[in-house]
Amino acid sequence: GEDVEQSLFLSVREGDSSVINCTYTDSSSTYLYWYKQEPGAGLQLLTYIFSNMDMKQDQRLTVLLNKKDKHLSLRIADTQTGDSAIYFCAESSDPNNAGNMLTFGGGTRLMVKP
Amino acid sequence: NAGVTQTPKFQVLKTGQSMTLQCAQDMNHNSMYWYRQDPGMGLRLIYYSASEGTTDKGEVPNGYNVSRLNKREFSLRLESAAPSQTSVYFCASSEWVVGQPQHFGDGTRLSIL
Repeated sequence: GEDVEQSLFLSVREGDSSVINCTYTDSSSTYLYWYKQEPGAGLQLLTYIFSNMDMKQDQRLTVLLNKKDKHLSLRIADTQTGDSAIYFCAESSDPNNAGNMLTFGGGTRLMVKP
Repeated sequence: NAGVTQTPKFQVLKTGQSMTLQCAQDMNHNSMYWYRQDPGMGLRLIYYSASEGTTDKGEVPNGYNVSRLNKREFSLRLESAAPSQTSVYFCASSEWVVGQPQHFGDGTRLSIL
């Protein structure tokens, strides 16, 4: 089955860039997502990228996709204390059905130090 | 603009008790999902409903049942709660099309003693 892996923890200083990495195994992945979870809250969609793209930029967020290595990264520029949260990578692949099933990574806890 | 609403937010149960978690969405989505979140394991799918009138098992369905009451509401039932079901439960909704993002509720924190 599909597998999505993330490192557990990342600590950065305020103002630095953060890079959160994710690897996946399903070569038929069509969409890859980044979700953010703040303490006590649900998951909030940050951004997503279609598998035929290499890069997507949205304000302070840059998503890079290396399809050959099945590696996805999320770069947060000028990281702020409000960016402290758990970040989940997720992939969607359903080549046989018109479905919308997601497989999530274990989440990376980002801690931003002032 | 409520989105996905889950009730209750917190619950403590004793082993063997039963409980129904409620979820409602106001985005007119066809599909709804129940996940559990455990530390370091991300979200695992318990059950999903691709459309009103259908439900299917996900990755970890044992010990749970679901009901898709109508297009808006999707409930999760624990018939006989076990300590291993202590977790945070999330409901989500989306359209049943690859690429349509899932929208999540704020979760129900369930402890079973």
